[in-house]
Amino acid sequence: SQQGEEDPQALSIQEGENATMNCSYKTSINNLQWYRQNSGRGLVHLILIRSNEREKHSGRLRVTLDTSKKSSSLLITASRAADTASYFCATGRGAQKLVFGQGTRLTINP
Amino acid sequence: GAGVSQSPSNKVTEKGKDVELRCDPISGHTALYWYRQSLGQGLEFLIYFQGNSAPDKSGLPSDRFSAERTGGSVSTLTIQRTQQEDSAVYLCASSLAAAQETQYFGPGTRLLVL
Repeated sequence: SQQGEEDPQALSIQEGENATMNCSYKTSINNLQWYRQNSGRGLVHLILIRSNEREKHSGRLRVTLDTSKKSSSLLITASRAADTASYFCATGRGAQKLVFGQGTRLTINP
Repeated sequence: GAGVSQSPSNKVTEKGKDVELRCDPISGHTALYWYRQSLGQGLEFLIYFQGNSAPDKSGLPSDRFSAERTGGSVSTLTIQRTQQEDSAVYLCASSLAAAQETQYFGPGTRLLVL
């Protein structure tokens, strides 16, 4: 069963615009991670935010976490064509299994 | 350095046959995970190895699925008597240690059961 749900399921924007994806989860967590997947293959780790953190930045990525609402958001600023991919949130407790959401399919139009 | 590698990249098999999928984790990573990604179920955890501890097999969907990790490094996921519903991408990941939460994924093996 899936822990997280991403919203929207699909997002299409113009190059240069910002993209925001949301993730909700159900149980308590130690951390939440965002991954990117191109062409249905390997997942690339983007960023990890711990349960005691509220916001984190990495390059053009900004992640927020609201544990009271059990939700997170991923913002990609100044989007590029290469950002076209599926994005997944995953919740974890320690080093054990990650529980993934269904993903958001992001398309950046030139 | 080298990332997680998996082989084969693609596997087509007939229903009822056994298949073996291989994962080479990043050198020095003590934790290894198998996940499955299918259209209907999304990304699902299958099994987790940590050092010499007993593996967490709680995600294996049936007793046709098994996995082993030899010498604390390479892992093999075996599916016996494959069924069409086993068709999916099987992803392996590794992490540095039990306290390291970032998991690094391999490219996956796409399995198609005819």
